[in-house]
Parts: sequence; structure tokens; C-alpha cells
Amino acid sequence: EPEVTQTPSHQVTQMGQEVILRCVPISNHLYFYWYRQILGQKVEFLVSFYNNEISEKSEIFDDQFSVERPDGSNFTLKIRSTKLEDSAMYFCASTLDRGPQETQYFGPGTRLLVL
Amino acid sequence: GESVGLHLPTLSVQEGDNSIINCAYSNSASDYFIWYKQESGKGPQFIIDIRSNMDKRQGQRVTVLLNKTVKHLSLQIAATQPGDSAVYFCAEIVLYNNNDMRFGAGTRLTVKP
Repeated sequence: EPEVTQTPSHQVTQMGQEVILRCVPISNHLYFYWYRQILGQKVEFLVSFYNNEISEKSEIFDDQFSVERPDGSNFTLKIRSTKLEDSAMYFCASTLDRGPQETQYFGPGTRLLVL
Repeated sequence: GESVGLHLPTLSVQEGDNSIINCAYSNSASDYFIWYKQESGKGPQFIIDIRSNMDKRQGQRVTVLLNKTVKHLSLQIAATQPGDSAVYFCAEIVLYNNNDMRFGAGTRLTVKP
């Protein structure tokens, strides 16, 4: 069964450093998403992406965050200058199309720790 | 000091019993709901969904009930198994709002053998 993959599985960085989290969505999917989950808390929507542009973003997704689809397979989340409170699990998801019949398939997540 | 946010509601059941996990959603305009299961160290996994024009939907061993009057969603798991142990999240979506999905806080289900 096709799956969403994410790398790295764990990332430790120092405050103020830039990090890039990588995702490979399911190959024929067109819509991509990033979520984060601070330890022990609920999953929070960050951003959705379609046709090489952001469709929707939450209040969490400020100017420190950016997303890119640099090629036909990768979808990346960049945090320009990490803060301690960016420590969380970051999940990528993808769907074939938009609409309620489209199940979001989540990747295994990247655990980011900012020191 | 206290660790804020680490104390999820918990439900502990005996293997073979039925489980009921509840969720209160916030947006009366939400018209699509999903239950996700999240096992330790993994991403959320789709279990079952329901549209707001329905009040009940059944899957394999799972049933979702929706009460729009009180904005309440429940997930019933029949004959709970140890493999069902996980955190369960409900999620709400306002349709055609770019699939912006909002998750609930989650409930940790523990199944005792």
C-alpha cells in the first residue's frame, strides 16, 4: 500500500537555526498538508498546499515557516529561525483530491527538538 | 512542576468489552467529522468518517454517532482488542474550506488483556 514518508525521523537543532523537514507524499496525490503536535497535545493544522501554492494556513504558520515542492516528489517545511516552542512532532499528509471523500494519509512524523 | 497538556483523558477497558470514546466539537458550521487513531510514535490513521447529514455510521467493529444538537461525536469500538490501544482523536472540517481540519484533544484508550 502506498504511504507518505518523512525524513528525518528525529531532528535536534539549536535555537535560531534553520531546519527543513522533508516529506514524500503518495505519488498521485495533489493536495499536501503539514500538521504539528506538541508533546501530549492535539494535532494542529499548519498549512495546506495545492498546485504549487498555499491554499490555507493557520495562525501558527507565521513568517518563520515556508513550504515548497522543489520537485515532483518532495514537499518540504522550512522553519527559518527555530524557537524552543517549535519542538514538536511534525506530520505531513496528502490527499488525492479535495473533498470529504478524500482520506488524508499521514506520514510517520518528524520529531523536532529545539535546544 | 506540572506538565501542562500531558494529561489526556483516558479510558481503560477489558479486552472483549465495548469502548465508547467521546468528543465535543466546537464549530456548529462543521459538516464533516473523522475519527483518527494514533499509536505511539506514529501519525494519525483514519478510522471512520461521518457527514453532518447523518447521525450514525458503522464500519468494521466501529460505529460513529453524531449529535449535532449538542455538538457531540462518539466512537464505539466493539469487542475491544489490545491492538486498539492508542490515542483517538476526532477531527472536524468545514467542507470546501480547503480541507482545513481541526483536531480534538484526544483520548487515550488502554485495553487490558
